[in-house]
Amino acid sequence: GAVVSQHPSWVICKSGTSVKIECRSLDFQATTMFWYRQFPKQSLMLMATSNEGSKATYEQGVEKDKFLINHASLTLSTLTVTSAHPEDSSFYICSATGRTSGRMKGANVLTFGAGSRLTVL
Amino acid sequence: KQEVTQIPAALSVPEGENLVLNCSFTDSAIYNLQWFRQDPGKGLTSLLLIQSSQREQTSGRLNASLDKSSGRSTLYIAASQPGDSATYLCAVRPYETSGSRLTFGEGTQLTVNP
Repeated sequence: GAVVSQHPSWVICKSGTSVKIECRSLDFQATTMFWYRQFPKQSLMLMATSNEGSKATYEQGVEKDKFLINHASLTLSTLTVTSAHPEDSSFYICSATGRTSGRMKGANVLTFGAGSRLTVL
Repeated sequence: KQEVTQIPAALSVPEGENLVLNCSFTDSAIYNLQWFRQDPGKGLTSLLLIQSSQREQTSGRLNASLDKSSGRSTLYIAASQPGDSATYLCAVRPYETSGSRLTFGEGTQLTVNP
């Protein structure tokens, strides 16, 4: 089935550094990717929606200069947390939607990555 | 703006019990509703997806129902097992196109005690 790979699964960094998280669709072309943030014991909050080849659309209250999203190809989107601070520590999850190219060619899928745990010291 | 509410927030039951998790949404104009499972520190696993034209979906010991007009869905888990312990999230999708995004409830944290 459709698989989304997210990397790294966890990362610890010092305050002030930048961290990049990758989200890859492995067997389908992801026309749209979504980035969510989840704080402990809370639900997923959508941060931004990115369509391949165009600028991401950010949700209200999400700083686009702090959370840089790039969706340069149909299989890869990246989220870069710039100048990270301890309050940015969270679980970041991506999801991707598109049409499969494998056995179930043409099926519309929406799949989630396994998430990336960011801890900023 | 769509809002999704899940009740209860947490549930602890002994092994073998049948249980029901509830999800309600404020805007009934949805394309589909999906139930997910999330284990601690992990991503989401899709359990069941119900299209707006459907009333229920079943997979093994899980049964999800949808009453779109009243804005409600339930997830029924039969003969619960300790391995069912996880957070269960419901999410609604407003329309079909790929740009459509999900609105999540806050989840029900389930603990099944052996």
